[in-house]
Amino acid sequence: RKEVEQDPGPFNVPEGATVAFNCTYSNSASQSFFWYRQDCRKEPKLLMSVYSSGNEDGRFTAQLNRASQYISLLIRDSKLSDSATYLCVVNLLTTSGTYKYIFGTGTRLKVLA
Amino acid sequence: DGGITQSPKYLFRKEGQNVTLSCEQNLNHDAMYWYRQDPGQGLRLIYYSQIVNDFQKGDIAEGYSVSREKKESFPLTVTSAQKNPTAFYLCASSPRGVATDTQYFGPGTRLTVL
Repeated sequence: RKEVEQDPGPFNVPEGATVAFNCTYSNSASQSFFWYRQDCRKEPKLLMSVYSSGNEDGRFTAQLNRASQYISLLIRDSKLSDSATYLCVVNLLTTSGTYKYIFGTGTRLKVLA
Repeated sequence: DGGITQSPKYLFRKEGQNVTLSCEQNLNHDAMYWYRQDPGQGLRLIYYSQIVNDFQKGDIAEGYSVSREKKESFPLTVTSAQKNPTAFYLCASSPRGVATDTQYFGPGTRLTVL
């Protein structure tokens, strides 16, 4: 089982739609959680951090469910510019006492005009 | 302007040659990281460093080497021992390397072995 699993998509949605992505993680020792956005052939950029029960930033809402070990990302009123790959990331405490990011493979979103 | 720079953006090398990828940050971050990204796969950790003159192997360190002589710089050498070096290489940094840290990425170097 992968440490972080995401549906690769693609999710093709019309402009203005609401879309939700889920991500599951296998290690209950995961400390913190993030969503990054990656455009084609570019570097990942932080979209949102998710620390406790979730948080909202404009059209974006992230939720964390520690009991079921999943996080979600909701995008409301989708824009063409939201087309990208969304990476789910967990920060894990390793046995050596350092922290390590574990990345999902990403979910691809395409917003259609 | 604070940030992370990587050079070059595109790099071509012949099989059997070593090549060094540059990564510099002026964010005053303690921790720096090297990742590799292949199509259809998540980013995989090659090496990381939390302080100057110290670094640890990540999940796929074989065929790679690093140094951390200065806080701002964390170059990665891809040696001829790396069997499949063609990939997108990303350098990142974070303030302290702790649980709540956010990692910030450079623009990446796309390496192609001919």
